[in-house]
Amino acid sequence: AAGVIQSPRHLIKEKRETATLKCYPIPRHDTVYWYQQGPGQDPQFLISFYEKMQSDKGSIPDRFSAQQFSDYHSELNMSSLELGDSALYFCASSPRLAGGTDTQYFGPGTRLTVL
Amino acid sequence: QKEVEQNSGPLSVPEGAIASLNCTYSDRGSQSFFWYRQYSGKSPELIMSIYSNGDKEDGRFTAQLNKASQYVSLLIRDSQPSDSATYLCAVGHNQGGKLIFGQGTELSVKP
Repeated sequence: AAGVIQSPRHLIKEKRETATLKCYPIPRHDTVYWYQQGPGQDPQFLISFYEKMQSDKGSIPDRFSAQQFSDYHSELNMSSLELGDSALYFCASSPRLAGGTDTQYFGPGTRLTVL
Repeated sequence: QKEVEQNSGPLSVPEGAIASLNCTYSDRGSQSFFWYRQYSGKSPELIMSIYSNGDKEDGRFTAQLNKASQYVSLLIRDSQPSDSATYLCAVGHNQGGKLIFGQGTELSVKP
């Protein structure tokens, strides 16, 4: 079965640079979630999109922005990178059911290292 | 206090034993609950979802939910060394659907 695809899998950037992470959800899934997981931490919700509209926003820095495109893929743009942005970034997709949460399936993640 | 609490472990059990993982949550209105397994450096992998009070079994895994006590657990029967991983309890937020994770319990199954 098709899974969530994320690219790139690894990314190394310098401080103050920008980065773009991409996520391709499971076919026919219309909802995308982004999570950040620091070393030894649990995943923290950043932002989500449903039918190409932002549906919820968590602890996402103002330096970060994201969008979902007409083909449902999503991109997380990160600017003015800081050392503390080094983390695993996961995208998850779900077939949103009306009125609640449906199961989220996670992609393999992008490991971002900021030097 | 975190919204979702787990014992961080490590929990060590011998091969073939039952591993019991526990989780409590603070939002009494929560409706959806998930257990994910995560190997080091890998992504969370869904094991079980549970929405109603009681038990839900899938192979060697049984999830238990008690909404009155705001408690959800995962039992792993016949534990195998390959079950050694961090187990994340997640609660679905009613508005927007984001998952709120516990800090995870590290399970070690000894041969």
